[in-house]
Amino acid sequence: GAGVSQSPSNKVTEKGKDVELRCDPISGHTALYWYRQSLGQGLEFLIYFQGNSAPDKSGLPSDRFSAERTGGSVSTLTIQRTQQEDSAVYLCASSGGGTPYNSPLHFGNGTRLTVT
Amino acid sequence: AQSVTQPDIHITVSEGASLELRCNYSYGATPYLFWYVQSPGQGLQLLLKYFSGDTLVQGIKGFEAEFKRSQSSFNLRKPSVHWSDAAEYFCAVGGSGSARQLTFGSGTQLTVLP
Repeated sequence: GAGVSQSPSNKVTEKGKDVELRCDPISGHTALYWYRQSLGQGLEFLIYFQGNSAPDKSGLPSDRFSAERTGGSVSTLTIQRTQQEDSAVYLCASSGGGTPYNSPLHFGNGTRLTVT
Repeated sequence: AQSVTQPDIHITVSEGASLELRCNYSYGATPYLFWYVQSPGQGLQLLLKYFSGDTLVQGIKGFEAEFKRSQSSFNLRKPSVHWSDAAEYFCAVGGSGSARQLTFGSGTQLTVLP
């Protein structure tokens, strides 16, 4: 079946512009995660959605970052007034909603964001 | 707070040689532990996971990992590496509480020589 789909795969933007990154999770998955992968830094947790519960936003690095999940499915990560340090690969993952052990995360291929 | 350390940024091995990738974690209770692989142009794929029971776990693609509580380690091993194993490998730790996110290490890049 279809996996996690992210778009665009690559995005180049000028410093100060806003960008929107999209994630289509696996159908039926109730949990959705956003991570950021910077060169040599590993994966950094950003935000977690589970069903209709309030999202866990504890990983968002600044108030320029926000995310929505509409209808419990598609999610959009928005970065306002982009800075060069925002350049990274943004990964989305979805799962069945249990613990990561019982419901393994399925990752998309990511969106590579370059801020010039 | 939970954390993961992968001390080796880059490892090079010859095809057919054995492999061990190191992972050390910090977690206040019994952790969930994972190894993921990221091949070029691919999303992260789960190799194996551990929570309890037998401390030696088998995963896909011939990989295994051993949990050692006394050393806070969860090292990944493979007896004989194939060229297709060239990729980046991430160790991760997670918990069973309300915070469901995984904490990842910074990754180890594996190069396989012919």
